[in-house]
Amino acid sequence: AQSVSQHNHHVILSEAASLELGCNYSYGGTVNLFWYVQYPGQHLQLLLKYFSGDPLVKGIKGFEAEFIKSKFSFNLRKPSVQWSDTAEYFCAVNLINDMRFGAGTRLTVKP
Amino acid sequence: NAGVTQTPKFRILKIGQSMTLQCAQDMNHNYMYWYRQDPGMGLKLIYYSVGAGITDKGEVPNGYNVSRSTTEDFPLRLELAAPSQTSVYFCASSYSTPKGNSPLHFGNGTRLTVT
Repeated sequence: AQSVSQHNHHVILSEAASLELGCNYSYGGTVNLFWYVQYPGQHLQLLLKYFSGDPLVKGIKGFEAEFIKSKFSFNLRKPSVQWSDTAEYFCAVNLINDMRFGAGTRLTVKP
Repeated sequence: NAGVTQTPKFRILKIGQSMTLQCAQDMNHNYMYWYRQDPGMGLKLIYYSVGAGITDKGEVPNGYNVSRSTTEDFPLRLELAAPSQTSVYFCASSYSTPKGNSPLHFGNGTRLTVT
């Protein structure tokens, strides 16, 4: 079945540690890819997106993601996390008329 | 600029009751969506609309109905509430199809409990 898979359900890091959250998708053809973030008690906000061109995209708050077409992956990275990055992160793939989301990864950053 | 507004924020229903979750956007977006968010399951699309008068089913439409009489409003109706519909519901909108350069804008969510 077509899907978006996020490998980690809950990640716990200390401040200044590096972060990488995995995302794989199984939809064929050309896709556009997104990472959304949901801070505690808030709605989802766009973190970054990939449409075409440079497969390494940079988003807000120092986040970046790399699209690897051959691996159907779009992993999210940040060199040094902060306590304020504690949130839930969702990978998403857009279809023709809607967006499909992964199950989410909860990130807890310890001060 | 309010963006996407959802009401109510919280609601408790008894099994078999009905209710309507309201969603309005003031960005003149053509596309609107209803998602439900369950722990460990991510967001699942319930219904979506590509414009006034046009709606279509998403991944999990059973037990829900929608209408889109205006560009601004996209209410979600639960006719006979069931415990399986306990969830957080998010409304979203986008200017054009997500296939284009148009991310989703989300409302703050409605937390619904059915007992």
